[in-house]
Amino acid sequence: KNEVEQSPQNLTAQEGEFITINCSYSVGISALHWLQQHPGGGIVSLFMLSSGKKKHGRLIATINIQEKHSSLHITASHPRDSAVYICAVRLKGGSTLGRLYFGRGTQLTVWP
Amino acid sequence: ETGVTQSPTHLIKTRGQQVTLRCSSQSGHNTVSWYQQALGQGPQFIFQYYREEENGRGNFPPRFSGLQFPNYSSELNVNALELDDSALYLCASSWPGQAAYEQYFGPGTRLTVT
Repeated sequence: KNEVEQSPQNLTAQEGEFITINCSYSVGISALHWLQQHPGGGIVSLFMLSSGKKKHGRLIATINIQEKHSSLHITASHPRDSAVYICAVRLKGGSTLGRLYFGRGTQLTVWP
Repeated sequence: ETGVTQSPTHLIKTRGQQVTLRCSSQSGHNTVSWYQQALGQGPQFIFQYYREEENGRGNFPPRFSGLQFPNYSSELNVNALELDDSALYLCASSWPGQAAYEQYFGPGTRLTVT
């Protein structure tokens, strides 16, 4: 069983819609990352969270440590938001510096 | 752009051959992690190097090996390639002095084994 589970696996939306991607994890963590991967493979870090909520432009990330759950929201979605969104966690007390455990990703497609 | 570069971008090898992938870390970063991402999957941790020493390894066989150089650039070597080694290989650099070990990813090398 993977330490990190994401849902949905695939998501299709119309431009302007509000998007939510969910991430659940089963282990104690020190931080959770939301990452974006475009076709071709390069990964960009969107957020790193250890508590509460962060906002950057149209993107909002929240985390509930007690429930071991995080959500990534995209407001007013746009076709350029189409990408794979990946949730990754860093374990609490891990000896490897910053090693990440990844979910399988959510493929988001936004149609004009 | 993160400042992390990888080479080559794409590579095709035959089963049984050996391959070397390269990663140049972001300036000042002394830690590099390598990940394997199979099609449709999330990345899996291969190993990490910190100050030229291996500092943790995932569930990968010994034919996956690495090096980190004094300038903190890094290599991933895979011997006796198997078809299942076909994947995107990502490196990520970080600086432990940063709060919470933010990792910066390279663009990846896509390896195809035939």
